[in-house]
Amino acid sequence: DAKTTQPNSMESNEEEPVHLPCNHSTISGTDYIHWYRQLPSQGPEYVIHGLTSNVNNRMASLAIAEDRKSSTLILHRATLRDAAVYYCILRALNRDDKIIFGKGTRLHILP
Amino acid sequence: EPEVTQTPSHQVTQMGQEVILRCVPISNHLYFYWYRQILGQKVEFLVSFYNNEISEKSEIFDDQFSVERPDGSNFTLKIRSTKLEDSAMYFCASSEDTRKAIYFGEGSWLTVV
Repeated sequence: DAKTTQPNSMESNEEEPVHLPCNHSTISGTDYIHWYRQLPSQGPEYVIHGLTSNVNNRMASLAIAEDRKSSTLILHRATLRDAAVYYCILRALNRDDKIIFGKGTRLHILP
Repeated sequence: EPEVTQTPSHQVTQMGQEVILRCVPISNHLYFYWYRQILGQKVEFLVSFYNNEISEKSEIFDDQFSVERPDGSNFTLKIRSTKLEDSAMYFCASSEDTRKAIYFGEGSWLTVV
């Protein structure tokens, strides 16, 4: 499985933007970049995903570097509810279609 | 919004007993998964299922585990003879195709005593 590297933890103030980085230097051309999060005592929750272009949805934005070796998840205005572990995961576009969770980034939101 | 539903939310069982965890994936999804998370540890892949057969399984998914999609809507995980170390939260997930998101249920918490 292609690997990703994320900081172990980050802090942000409530109502400010948060940029969560992810490095994936060994990404292959058909790997999608997925982001999930896990709030305390809940199941993993899909956030956003993309292949080459930047993506926006109601939860977040995903900025993908031109060489695709890194990406950034952007939460535009963090709330206390966004405190969670965020996982950057590569999903292969082939029959081996599972996703593998690493340790992720634990995001703390300060009121 | 469609969601993956899992039952039971919590089950306590005695060591050696059989357990069946049930999941109803999102209706138009074709790929199905089971993951587990031991308390305080990371989410671990168990098995993926597509076209009525196992696509891939991890080392954790030994002969004591099996999966089934008996009726086109449910997706079950059976643990034949539970061990203490099977105590964990088990998550079911589904996806429409490999280019799209994977959606997870809220989990079934299994306690083996």
